[in-house]
Amino acid sequence: EPEVTQTPSHQVTQMGQEVILRCVPISNHLYFYWYRQILGQKVEFLVSFYNNEISEKSEIFDDQFSVERPDGSNFTLKIRSTKLEDSAMYFCASSRRQGSLETQYFGPGTRLLVL
Amino acid sequence: QKEVEQDPGPLSVPEGAIVSLNCTYSNSAFQYFMWYRQYSRKGPELLMYTYSSGNKEDGRFTAQVDKSSKYISLFIRDSQPSDSATYLCATYAGGTSYGKLTFGQGTILTVHP
Repeated sequence: EPEVTQTPSHQVTQMGQEVILRCVPISNHLYFYWYRQILGQKVEFLVSFYNNEISEKSEIFDDQFSVERPDGSNFTLKIRSTKLEDSAMYFCASSRRQGSLETQYFGPGTRLLVL
Repeated sequence: QKEVEQDPGPLSVPEGAIVSLNCTYSNSAFQYFMWYRQYSRKGPELLMYTYSSGNKEDGRFTAQVDKSSKYISLFIRDSQPSDSATYLCATYAGGTSYGKLTFGQGTILTVHP
């Protein structure tokens, strides 16, 4: 069964450093998402992406964050200058379509720790 | 007011019990309702989804939505130890929400043999 994959599984970085989290969505999916989950808190929407453009972003997704689909298979989340509060599990998700009952499939996540 | 509220539990039941998990939501624009299961340190995995009010059954799982009271439920019959996980309710408004899912806190469920 096709699945969303994410790398790395764990990332430790120093505050102020840039990190890039990578995702390979399911191959025939066209819509891509990033969510994050701070330990003990809700899964929170960050951004949705379609046709090489951001469709919607949350208030969390400020200028420090960016997303890119650099080729036909990868989808990346970049945090330019990490803060302590960016420590969280970051989930990538993808879907074939938006709306209706089209479901989002989640990857296993990247656990980011900012020291 | 929080958009989606869910009792985090934890909930502990014996094997074979019927489990009832619930969420409430505040935004009338939500039209789609989902239940995800999340094992420790893994991504959410879709269990069931429904559109608008009504019931949907899939094996031992039944999802129920009452839009008049803004109440979402998931029932698990004949619960098994393998059902032990965190259960997340999620909602979606559709239309111009561009796929944004809004999650509840998650309920930690343990089914003990």
